[in-house]
Amino acid sequence: NAGVTQTPKFRVLKTGQSMTLLCAQDMNHEYMYWYRQDPGMGLRLIHYSVGEGTTAKGEVPDGYNVSRLKKQNFLLGLESAAPSQTSVYFCASSYRPASRETQYFGPGTRLLVL
Amino acid sequence: QQPVQSPQAVILREGEDAVINCSSSKALYSVHWYRQKHGEAPVFLMILLKGGEQKGHEKISASFNEKKQQSSLYLTASQLSYSGTYFCGTETVGDFNKFYFGSGTKLNVKP
Repeated sequence: NAGVTQTPKFRVLKTGQSMTLLCAQDMNHEYMYWYRQDPGMGLRLIHYSVGEGTTAKGEVPDGYNVSRLKKQNFLLGLESAAPSQTSVYFCASSYRPASRETQYFGPGTRLLVL
Repeated sequence: QQPVQSPQAVILREGEDAVINCSSSKALYSVHWYRQKHGEAPVFLMILLKGGEQKGHEKISASFNEKKQQSSLYLTASQLSYSGTYFCGTETVGDFNKFYFGSGTKLNVKP
C-alpha cells in the first residue's frame, strides 16, 4: 500500500506557464481533497471531490481546476501560473466524509512560480 | 470561516504540559487535530464530533465544547517527539465536506 502519492515533488514554473499536479491513492477512498499551505499558515482547501466524476470548490478555488476521471486519481491544474500560487500543495483522501474520520495526506508538492 | 488557534507558539521542557485551543465563530460539526513536522505532511491525531465524547491518545487528549464552539488539545508529560506544529481543522454545521484549518500552534519541546 503506497497510500497517497503526489507527483511531482518539486517544480519551478515561470509566470503564465501551466502544469498539472497528480494525486493518486490506492485505498479505494471516495473523498479526495487538494490543499495549499503557505509559509507559517494552515492548510486551505482548494477543491474537493466526493466521488469519481465529481468536483466542488473549496475555500480558495480561483486559478485552479480539478478533475476526477478515475476514483484513484485527483488532478489539480494551473492554467496560467502566478507568483501568488507559490506554495506547498497537499492532497488528501478519506473513505468517508472528512468529518467522520481522518484524512490521509500525501507528501506534498512544492511549487515555485517565478 | 477559519478557526482561531492559540497560542501561536509554545516552548516546553520535556515532561511539562501544554494546552492548545481552537475556537470558531460558527457552529461546529467536527474538530480534527493534526501534527505536522517541518517539511512533512500533517499526521492525524484525533477527531471530536458534535455530541461525541472526549478523545484520548496516549498522553494526548482533547475536548470539544459545543456551546462555546471550542476545542482544546491537552499534551501531558511532553516528549521531544511532540515537537511540531499542531493544527485544528473544523467542519461547520451545514457546510459539510468543507474543511477549514487554523493557522497552527508551533510547539517546541526541549530536553
